[in-house]
Formats: sequence, C-alpha cells, structure tokens
Amino acid sequence: QSALTQPRSVSGSPGQSVTISCTGTSSDVGGYNYVSWYQQHPGKAPKLMIYDVSKRPSGVPDRFSGSKSGNTASLTISGLQAEDEADYYCCSQADSYLVFGGGTKLTVL
Amino acid sequence: QVQLQESGPGLVKPSETLSLTCAVSGYSISSGYFWGWIRQPPGKGLEWIGNIYGSGITYYNPPLKSRVTISVDMSKNQFSLRLTSVTAADTAVYYCAREINGGGMDYWGQGTLVTVS
Repeated sequence: QSALTQPRSVSGSPGQSVTISCTGTSSDVGGYNYVSWYQQHPGKAPKLMIYDVSKRPSGVPDRFSGSKSGNTASLTISGLQAEDEADYYCCSQADSYLVFGGGTKLTVL
Repeated sequence: QVQLQESGPGLVKPSETLSLTCAVSGYSISSGYFWGWIRQPPGKGLEWIGNIYGSGITYYNPPLKSRVTISVDMSKNQFSLRLTSVTAADTAVYYCAREINGGGMDYWGQGTLVTVS
C-alpha cells in the first residue's frame, strides 16, 4: 500500500491561515471517515490534533480544523502562531490497517 | 492520566529479532481500545506497524505482516512488539500509542530508538 500524499512543505506568516492537504484513494481516505492529523515537534512524540476527519481532542485549540472531500482530507490552521511550526502527518484507516502521509513541514515566517 | 513507556534493547544485530514492551499506566488495557506500535526512521515519516485489542485481536501493516507479532500481557498491563529478521532499514524510533478509533492515537509513549547494526 502507498503512503498518503502530502505537500512536503507549507509556510505562512503569523496570523494567517494555512491548509495542508492529504490525498489518498477510495480505499483509504475516500472510503472511511477515519482521518486523523498529528503535530510533531523535533525530538518529540506526535500529538493528536484531529480525529474522525474533523473532531478535536480536548485541549487542542479551535484554530485547528479538519475536513474531507472525496479522496482528499485537509487540515486548516488559522491565526498561525510561532509554536505551530512543526511537522504534520495525516493518517487514514485503510481496510484493516492504517496508513500515514509522508508528512508536511510547516514554517511560520 | 494515561501514560505509555517503551522499553527494550537499543541495539539489535542484523537478522536477529527486535523485541520491545510498552507499559501502560493510568488505564487498564482490558477496558478497551486498540494499542498500537508506530515507527519513524531517522529523518523520515511515520509508519504504522500494527495494533492489538485487549481480547488479543491483532492487525498488522501488510508489508510487515510476515515479520511482526504483537501480544498483550493483561497481568502486567503491557503489550509487546516482536519484529524478526531485522535489517538496517528497521532502524527507527519506535513508539507505542493508544488508538481511540480508526487511527486516532491520543496517548503516545516518548519513543525509543532502536538501531540495527
């Protein structure tokens, strides 16, 4: 199975909004409402930011939102802050297993 | 507060078996949820390895399925990973995590680096 496709990098200025895409197929992203997003700072474990496409765990700011259309899921971060600079990974259910995206490095200019 | 802690050898020889354990505190594995293993080669992305339910049901990533075994020890509230016939490509930071549903991993261990050399 192939990893989900994410842009290698995105950037934005403080206060702006950025969107990270995650493209799969009808066998994963398009076939299940089980897409999650993770934030990872260098040397740290990933942190769950979004699950079930658009749900936010307790404690995650509402600046983070998720959506899905067809085979592509998206993570939008509004009101960018310096601490949002990190790597972001999407993850989708695919039959009986899980598949991650290749990761996107977010730079806050 | 749910906490997970990986443990095991940091160095494994090629062709041997990698064995790691994840100790869970603050939540009983037998109470539910899937418990998974994820790895990250140095400088690269995340790869899901597999998971296990408290009842013992397991699911594995197809490319690794022939080499992976995940098991659970309810008495110690921990679960384990075995990866056989390792090569340098298996060098990675290995994480354990709780999966709330469909891949939503809400609690993670700090990760442990395993080098195959």
